[in-house]
Amino acid sequence: QQQVKQSPQSLIVQKGGISIINCAYENTAFDYFPWYQQFPGKGPALLIAIRPDVSEKKEGRFTISFNKSAKQFSLHIMDSQPGDSATYFCAASAGGSQGNLIFGKGTKLSVKP
Amino acid sequence: EAGVTQSPTHLIKTRGQQATLRCSPISGHTSVYWYQQALGLGLQFLLWYDEGEERNRGNFPPRFSGRQFPNYSSELNVNALELEDSALYLCASSLDAGEQFFGPGTRLTVL
Repeated sequence: QQQVKQSPQSLIVQKGGISIINCAYENTAFDYFPWYQQFPGKGPALLIAIRPDVSEKKEGRFTISFNKSAKQFSLHIMDSQPGDSATYFCAASAGGSQGNLIFGKGTKLSVKP
Repeated sequence: EAGVTQSPTHLIKTRGQQATLRCSPISGHTSVYWYQQALGLGLQFLLWYDEGEERNRGNFPPRFSGRQFPNYSSELNVNALELEDSALYLCASSLDAGEQFFGPGTRLTVL
């Protein structure tokens, strides 16, 4: 089974702080790495995604850092807000005939006011 | 633009029965993916349909099946329901094999 390992399982951050979630993968054929945000009772929503030809991608307060040699990628949430409290999933896909996403187990983020 | 829609929102069945879940993709999207989100197991890939064909299948038994219709909507069928099939079933659609957009899911409860 091709795996994506995500840590930590849960994270508590103070308002205004930086939230960091890490993921590691095994399959070097993966070429697409999205992050999803899921609120209770809702489906996951695409937050930001990166491909391995870049080492960093920033969208607003959300940044993905990607280390191809280490087979690791991470999500940084700057100036974390209580509204960011949700479960975050990293995922990976090999595209083409393997376009389905392999998800990490998720990180439950709580941002304290 | 309307997002991915799924029906029903909730479904309650008993062991041994069959369940049918439906998904309408975002307009213009040709690929539909099905995932199972069970407590403690995260999101697990079930099936991928594109242009009416099954493109890939996850590690689930054959009693999980589906199809994609000419209008790109899709149906997931689960036969001979077991208690452990209780989960949130999520459908996603995409225009290519990259960005997938999820629907709100169907909560299946097997009693």
